[in-house]
Amino acid sequence: QVQLVESGGGVVQPGGSLRLSCAASGFIFSSQAMHWVRQAPGKGLEWLALISYDASNKYYLQSVKGRFTVSRDNSRNTLYLQLDNLRPEDTAVYYCAQGDRNGYNYGVSWGQGTLVTVSS
Amino acid sequence: EIVMTQSPATLSVSPGERATLSCRASQNIRNNLAWYQQRPGQAPRLLIHGASTMATGIPARFSGSGSGTEFTLTISSLQSEDFAVYYCQQYENWPPTWTFGQGTKVEIK
Repeated sequence: QVQLVESGGGVVQPGGSLRLSCAASGFIFSSQAMHWVRQAPGKGLEWLALISYDASNKYYLQSVKGRFTVSRDNSRNTLYLQLDNLRPEDTAVYYCAQGDRNGYNYGVSWGQGTLVTVSS
Repeated sequence: EIVMTQSPATLSVSPGERATLSCRASQNIRNNLAWYQQRPGQAPRLLIHGASTMATGIPARFSGSGSGTEFTLTISSLQSEDFAVYYCQQYENWPPTWTFGQGTKVEIK
């Protein structure tokens, strides 16, 4: 079955960086668009980024463009999210999600998330 | 930007009763709407896409309806495992960006 396992979260100071990973299995990763979504403590879901199956197209939430970078390594079945210049308001659980057949529409399967805490 | 508004924020329902959740879009999104369930401490789970198409493995007590700007998620007879937060999400935009409603918490009455 589909499995998505995020890692790389932790505590970082404001202005710092982190790289999140999402290890995928149970489907043909190289054929599937992938997404990142976050959830601040006690809040709702916020979509962040999308990367096409071959990384030729990337889309971002406007408010994170220039600070967050999505990438993938299809040889390793792994999705990444580089978080730079982090702010306290970036504190959240970060989820990766497998896109639907089209790739862009909705999240078919989700990982359990990794917690990022931005604090001095 | 398309804004999604869910109501009510909290719904108190007794087990076995029917729950009706609403989601409104700020503009016409046709049937480009998904519903997710999120239990405490867990990841979101896809319930419905295309406003009314059930995702794989979802019990038949869940159903979705609507198009355009008004959508409904109905749980016909609430089970203990259904007490959770439910989010709607639109995918009408291009370039593709998802926007979610703020969620409806279904709690035990």
